[in-house]
Amino acid sequence: DTGVSQNPRHKITKRGQNVTFRCDPISEHNRLYWYRQTLGQGPEFLTYFQNEAQLEKSRLLSDRFSAERPKGSFSTLEIQRTEQGDSAMYLCASSPEGIKAFFGQGTRLTVV
Amino acid sequence: EDKVVQSPLSLVVHEGDTVTLNCSYEVTNFRSLLWYKQEKKAPTFLFMLTSSGIEKKSGRLSSILDKKELFSILNITATQTGDSAIYLCAVEATKLVFGAGTILRVKS
Repeated sequence: DTGVSQNPRHKITKRGQNVTFRCDPISEHNRLYWYRQTLGQGPEFLTYFQNEAQLEKSRLLSDRFSAERPKGSFSTLEIQRTEQGDSAMYLCASSPEGIKAFFGQGTRLTVV
Repeated sequence: EDKVVQSPLSLVVHEGDTVTLNCSYEVTNFRSLLWYKQEKKAPTFLFMLTSSGIEKKSGRLSSILDKKELFSILNITATQTGDSAIYLCAVEATKLVFGAGTILRVKS
């Protein structure tokens, strides 16, 4: 048990629908990351937060993706107008700055 | 842009073999290099390396970092089928950046 919690674990949605995922990091971890992972590949960086501030967002990320971390605790990742290419595992990780990151179990998104 | 490159991308060995996985990086503000093992779900932490030349060891796994040449290796000796997984290298710089991973398959 890594202590990072992600919900839902699985999501199947129709193309064009909006989806929102939630990540609850380990308490007092000030850094929170979102990654996307497809089969057989390493995690692809999406965005990260230092407390409530979103410090960086991948340039490859479409404007359909948005993330928030109100109050520096949990975070949400929203995908609007989903496309089939969005199907992937979405991983959340948290860390105290400069220390190893701990991962949640991920949310597997399938867009049909 | 920060970059982490792993090689080989995939590897098939027989039980008992020794394998070496490679990770090279180009980042600004290097803080640490981490190795993770990923089976079916979330990556699990193996090692964190911050200093050159100091080997980290855990059972049959060991890793070392060369900050001058900007690479790290992960060694697995006497491989077992349970070692089959994706091995991920990540570098903590301004953010945590992952390589594409090495898919290791150990055949019995």
